[in-house]
Amino acid sequence: DQQVKQNSPSLSVQEGRISILNCDYTNSMFDYFLWYKKYPAEGPTFLISISSIKDKNEDGRFTVFLNKSAKHLSLHIVPSQPGDSAVYFCAASVLDSSYKLIFGSGTRLLVRP
Amino acid sequence: GAGVSQTPSNKVTEKGKYVELRCDPISGHTALYWYRQSLGQGPEFLIYFQGTGAADDSGLPNDRFFAVRPEGSVSTLKIQRTERGDSAVYLCASSPGGRVNTGELFFGEGSRLTVL
Repeated sequence: DQQVKQNSPSLSVQEGRISILNCDYTNSMFDYFLWYKKYPAEGPTFLISISSIKDKNEDGRFTVFLNKSAKHLSLHIVPSQPGDSAVYFCAASVLDSSYKLIFGSGTRLLVRP
Repeated sequence: GAGVSQTPSNKVTEKGKYVELRCDPISGHTALYWYRQSLGQGPEFLIYFQGTGAADDSGLPNDRFFAVRPEGSVSTLKIQRTERGDSAVYLCASSPGGRVNTGELFFGEGSRLTVL
């Protein structure tokens, strides 16, 4: 029973264009959402997060959107750069056990020069 | 060190053997986590330490898995009677405290375990 789903295993985007990575969740108790980026042979690194009381959070080229009614969030990267090529994981947590992140299966992003 | 350090980076063992994986967290981080990542999947929570005690070990798959953190710093994940299904990358992470709401979960590079 996957509580956090990333239905697109891969995405290819031209440099300079927008990358949109999607994530769906089933547990309505989730109240905090995070995106992590992972390069080969490295551990995941935190990218951006959003609380359930917000619907948008922006940090430079990265913006996360949350649609609670649809139980859907997305990560937008504008403009995309070749160095953004990595696997992106969506993760969620519940307030009273916020240390326990539930991860999606990841989306591999390739930004073509 | 500057980041979370995990050893060994790679471990190949035979079915039925005992394995220890070590994690050295970022200095000063009181919270430590173990996750497991199987091929094609995202990391899966195993156990969380706050200081020396395991605050939540609900993710450990069975009693062959055990983890310790005796002095509140280095942690060891121990797997007894390894099975082929235990093959995965074992990720350790640390954070300044137990809450991850600020996103401050720092992962190591992982220990890749292969059970033949």
